[in-house]
Amino acid sequence: EAQVTQNPRYLITVTGKKLTVTCSQNMNHEYMSWYRQDPGLGLRQIYYSMNVEVTDKGDVPEGYKVSRKEKRNFPLILESPSPNQTSLYFCASSFSGGYQETQYFGPGTRLLVL
Amino acid sequence: AQSVAQPEDQVNVAEGNPLTVKCTYSVSGNPYLFWYVQYPNRGLQFLLKYITGDNLVKGSYGFEAEFNKSQTSFHLKKPSALVSDSALYFCAVRASGSNYQLIWGAGTKLIIKP
Repeated sequence: EAQVTQNPRYLITVTGKKLTVTCSQNMNHEYMSWYRQDPGLGLRQIYYSMNVEVTDKGDVPEGYKVSRKEKRNFPLILESPSPNQTSLYFCASSFSGGYQETQYFGPGTRLLVL
Repeated sequence: AQSVAQPEDQVNVAEGNPLTVKCTYSVSGNPYLFWYVQYPNRGLQFLLKYITGDNLVKGSYGFEAEFNKSQTSFHLKKPSALVSDSALYFCAVRASGSNYQLIWGAGTKLIIKP
């Protein structure tokens, strides 16, 4: 089954404790992206990747890191989480990231930073 | 600045009645417009998109949307609402000549009452 998977689905952590949210897709997509969803703000892009070893900042990259060492995986790293990073996070992928491309989303990771 | 507006935070419709979820956009260049739906505790799913051609676009689950260039709108419609249509709906746009990034609306919660 074609899908985007994220782990963990739910995470409670404390300020400053490094964490990684994994994202994997099995559709051989070149483009992958991370979003955060906050009430009333819609989706805001954190980082995206057009291909292996090619990443770029989105609208809200501060406090986050990403890497794209393999085509299928695009982990999101929070080196020192803070309470303002409490949010619902989505990973998405598409074939090429072009204008006409639709995105496939993972199920989401709900993060609470205390 | 490029933007997408969903003017209604919530839309309430009785089952069997027609529904409309509004979206307006402001971009430079030709717009590529998308609707996604998010069911509770799920990731976003693609509904439909406008790229070029016929202004009336048909999508999944009986939804359709009409592209209106003069009004810069892309309203989502369905002739007869189902309770199962209750979800959060997002409009998004990419502009030709941009860096391929999607601009998202804040989302509209659609509630269908039996």
